[in-house]
Formats: sequence, structure tokens, C-alpha cells
Amino acid sequence: GAVVSQHPSRVICKSGTSVKIECRSLDFQATTMFWYRQFPKQSLMLMATSNEGSKATYEQGVEKDKFLINHASLTLSTLTVTSAHPEDSSFYICSARVTSGGPSNEQFFGPGTRLTVL
Amino acid sequence: QQQVKQSPQSLIVQKGGISIINCAYENTAFDYFPWYQQFPGKGPALLIAIRPDVSEKKEGRFTISFNKSAKQFSLHIMDSQPGDSATYFCAASKRQAGTALIFGKGTTLSVSS
Repeated sequence: GAVVSQHPSRVICKSGTSVKIECRSLDFQATTMFWYRQFPKQSLMLMATSNEGSKATYEQGVEKDKFLINHASLTLSTLTVTSAHPEDSSFYICSARVTSGGPSNEQFFGPGTRLTVL
Repeated sequence: QQQVKQSPQSLIVQKGGISIINCAYENTAFDYFPWYQQFPGKGPALLIAIRPDVSEKKEGRFTISFNKSAKQFSLHIMDSQPGDSATYFCAASKRQAGTALIFGKGTTLSVSS
């Protein structure tokens, strides 16, 4: 299957700081990438849909000014958690959808980023 | 409103047994139904997926059964192994480009040796 990477895999930061998470599709182009959040022993909750070259679409209840998403190229999307607080501590996972050369719906997930805000 | 309902929440199966996880969906516009496997601290990995024009798909020990009229689909893991112990998520989405997956709540499978 296609490979999606995330960086960093783990980050610990102080309350009030901003954290940037990168999501890259390594061997395919992805017009659309998705950002999910997962709390312990829970399912994946969609935060936003990131489209290359346009503004992200956020799910209801997700603060767009707090979770900044940039999808500047067909292989890179970034999520910036601004002014992070302890309640933002979670497992953040991105996925990328194959836009050419494969089934149109297949989504491949990154390994996730564990964010801990002290 | 939960669009994809998954059961059971947890499952314990003996080695060599059959693990069965069920999902039901509500939106008839869904036309892609994947199953993902997730180990602790890792991202989900695509296991197998099915479209509504077939009733069953098999890949190795993993089989999806799909019942379009009942709006249900299930994952069968044959000859379950301890290495299959993980959390399994069903999901559904529409075919249109840019639509996200809607996930079930997950099933934690433990295969005892």
C-alpha cells in the first residue's frame, strides 16, 4: 500500500506554545488529506479535510483558528496546534487519499503523532 | 448521530478460532466499506475493503461479508492468531473525491494462545 509519514511521532510542549505536525505522502500524490484526532480507547474523530491549494474544511466543533491546516503541495499537509493546552493532548493522525493510479476511495494513514501538553 | 455502528466493543477468541465483527450503516449513499487494523500507538492500517456491488471479498484469512439490503457488513478473521490482537475499525464513505471516512467505534480483539 501507499506510504504516509508523519513528523514528529511524539512531542511534548508547554501550555501556550504552538506545535506543527507534518503529514507527507511518500510515493503518491494526494489532492485531499484528512486530519483525525484519537483519544485513548476511542475511535478516530475527523477534524478537518485538507485540500491542496485551498482552505481546509473543518468539522463542527473544531476551532479553525486553533488548529491551522495548510496543504501547500500534493504531498504535504501540516497541522499547527496554536496556543496548546493540556486538553489538546491527544493522538493526531493524518490520512491521504490516492488521487491517481489507485482506487478512488482508498485512504492510507500516517503513524500518528502523540501530543502531550504540560 | 452515529452513522456507522460497530459491535461488539470487545472480543476474546481462542487461537485458531473465528473472530467476527459486525457493522451497520445508515446512509445509503455510502459505497465504500473498508476495515482497518490498529495496534497501540500506531496509525490504522487498511486490511480489506469492499464495494456494494459484491457480497463477499476474501483476502487470506480475512473476509468481508456485505448485505446491502440490511445495510450491514462484517469482518471474519479465520484461524485467529495472537498477532491479530488489535483494535479493528469498520468505516464507510461515499465514492466522491474528497469525502472522508466515517468510522465505527472500534472492536478490541484479544486472541488467547
